[in-house]
Amino acid sequence: GAVVSQHPSRVICKSGTSVKIECRSLDFQATTMFWYRQFPKQSLMLMATSNEGSKATYEQGVEKDKFLINHASLTLSTLTVTSAHPEDSSFYICSAFGGYEQYFGPGTRLTVT
Amino acid sequence: TQLLEQSPQFLSIQEGENLTVYCNSSSVFSSLQWYRQEPGEGPVLLVTVVTGGEVKKLKRLTFQFGDARKDSSLHITAAQTGDTGLYLCAGVVGGNTGKLIFGQGTTLQVKP
Repeated sequence: GAVVSQHPSRVICKSGTSVKIECRSLDFQATTMFWYRQFPKQSLMLMATSNEGSKATYEQGVEKDKFLINHASLTLSTLTVTSAHPEDSSFYICSAFGGYEQYFGPGTRLTVT
Repeated sequence: TQLLEQSPQFLSIQEGENLTVYCNSSSVFSSLQWYRQEPGEGPVLLVTVVTGGEVKKLKRLTFQFGDARKDSSLHITAAQTGDTGLYLCAGVVGGNTGKLIFGQGTTLQVKP
């Protein structure tokens, strides 16, 4: 079946630095990719919707200048956390939608020290 | 704003017991999905319910979609330790866009 990968799976960075997370759909073309963040023992919170070749749509309360999303192709979307702070530490999950079903990536654990 | 209220949020039971998780909304959804998530991994789709009143079974798991398509339930019969995990309901919004709204999740612990 379809598989979505994320890279890296874990990342530790220092406060003030930027981190890029990649989300790839491995065997299908994703018209839309979604980015979520998840705090411990909580549900997934949708951050933004990313469509190939267009600007991402951010959910209310999500800073678009802090969480930069690029969807350059139908198989790759990236999320860059700029000037990361400890409160940005979280589990970031992407999903890819190809028109019929949605598949989730394995997540990226970001720790900002 | 469409919201999904999921309950209970935490559940700890003994192996062999039955349980039900509820997902309720004041909004109508075209379809609703149930996911299971293990720690440190992405959620995995269990089922999609589409038709009001629909019942779907997946081994010991029974999923029901309310007649009005505003609520859903997940019933697990004779829970096993392998059922431990986070269960999430998600409503499909915005037509065929793939956009989902998640409930708060239910953390299930099944003790041996």
